[in-house]
Amino acid sequence: GAGVSQTPSNKVTEKGKYVELRCDPISGHTALYWYRQSLGQGPEFLIYFQGTGAADDSGLPNDRFFAVRPEGSVSTLKIQRTERGDSAVYLCASSSSTVTEAFFGQGTRLTVV
Amino acid sequence: GNSVTQMEGPVTLSEEAFLTINCTYTATGYPSLFWYVQYPGEGLQLLLKATKADDKGSNKGFEATYRKETTSFHLEKGSVQVSDSAVYFCALSVPGTYKYIFGTGTRLKVLA
Repeated sequence: GAGVSQTPSNKVTEKGKYVELRCDPISGHTALYWYRQSLGQGPEFLIYFQGTGAADDSGLPNDRFFAVRPEGSVSTLKIQRTERGDSAVYLCASSSSTVTEAFFGQGTRLTVV
Repeated sequence: GNSVTQMEGPVTLSEEAFLTINCTYTATGYPSLFWYVQYPGEGLQLLLKATKADDKGSNKGFEATYRKETTSFHLEKGSVQVSDSAVYFCALSVPGTYKYIFGTGTRLKVLA
């Protein structure tokens, strides 16, 4: 695609529910990143994929968060038993390698009520 | 640890005014430095970058110089336009890693 695509753009869910956020990176980009941006803050690193494998998931806040990238392209960030504190904008980015510019999607705004 | 500190906003300027947004960093090793911009309703876009000391990044009239001695990467523009209204993020990445460390962002509002 022309850019990084994230769906949905907005998601409202009830506390305790399960959500999935999707990221479609730029075609051919092997590196994919998830960040979380809380209100008034800069993006914070969650997880990095190189190809299909999660090379670094040290930013995931707890075991309710999980991400996959089964075919080395589309990635899904999964959040179980959502909490109100999970409300934020979740950003996905991709790059052709780790040393080149990362291109960001517009984000998914998650609101847990 | 690695961190980025940038001036708090919002910054409100009149059109054609001079802009400075301060950014300082703490990092191990020699990081690459970036300014990202987020226009209303859009995703983060790379504005400019510098990969080593004394490098100057520039784009769309914006400039920033990598100052190792003061650990700074201040963003400047000589004459801002209404269309520059956005949130600006300073960020770093440390060589050998792939994580960006972002500042908290500075909102710029330019009035006609």
